Amino acid sequence: DAGVTQSPTHLIKTRGQHVTLRCSPISGHKSVSWYQQVLGQGPQFIFQYYEKEERGRGNFPDRFSARQFPNYSSELNVNALLLGDSALYLCASSFAGGSETQYFGPGTRLLVL
Amino acid sequence: SQELEQSPQSLIVQEGKNLTINCTSSKTLYGLYWYKQKYGEGLIFLMMLQKGGEEKSHEKITAKLDEKKQQSSLHITASQPSHAGIYLCGALTQGGSEKLVFGKGTKLTVNP
Repeated sequence: DAGVTQSPTHLIKTRGQHVTLRCSPISGHKSVSWYQQVLGQGPQFIFQYYEKEERGRGNFPDRFSARQFPNYSSELNVNALLLGDSALYLCASSFAGGSETQYFGPGTRLLVL
Repeated sequence: SQELEQSPQSLIVQEGKNLTINCTSSKTLYGLYWYKQKYGEGLIFLMMLQKGGEEKSHEKITAKLDEKKQQSSLHITASQPSHAGIYLCGALTQGGSEKLVFGKGTKLTVNP
């Protein structure tokens, strides 16, 4: 069975640009969460979506937005990129949210120059 | 806000040795997860602990949860080079929430 998939694997952008990252959850999973991991730190929670609705939002600026589609895949959008947005962006899926185990994808490494 | 402190930050052991990684929470634990990460890659789920005193094992890795101390430990027996990586503990911030708060990780190196 396919795990969580993310695209692209790597991305290089310049300051001020915007970026869209994509995530496909494990088949049957309805909840998707996004995390940002800066080098040397643990992942930080950005968003959680369940059944296409936002269920949680972390302490990130409004430049960050996300959505979930009817097939439960998800997109993370970041506008007006800053150098500090350079990080590994991780997507995680779970069956129904709550305390269910989250399974992570391989991540998208974003470099902002 | 909840914080998780992991110790040690890094660990170098000789193959075959046992080791323990600790994770301490600043607040009540509603669920504690252990993940392993290879450098720059995604997180691999190891174990989830929910109840105080709970202990789970998978192959040579054992994790325990001490709810009163708001602490969990991960123990690896007879370490192998394949155990090398970054071990992360993550905790649910409140009951019913899916938001995970993570520690900074423990980098484990196993020398052959």
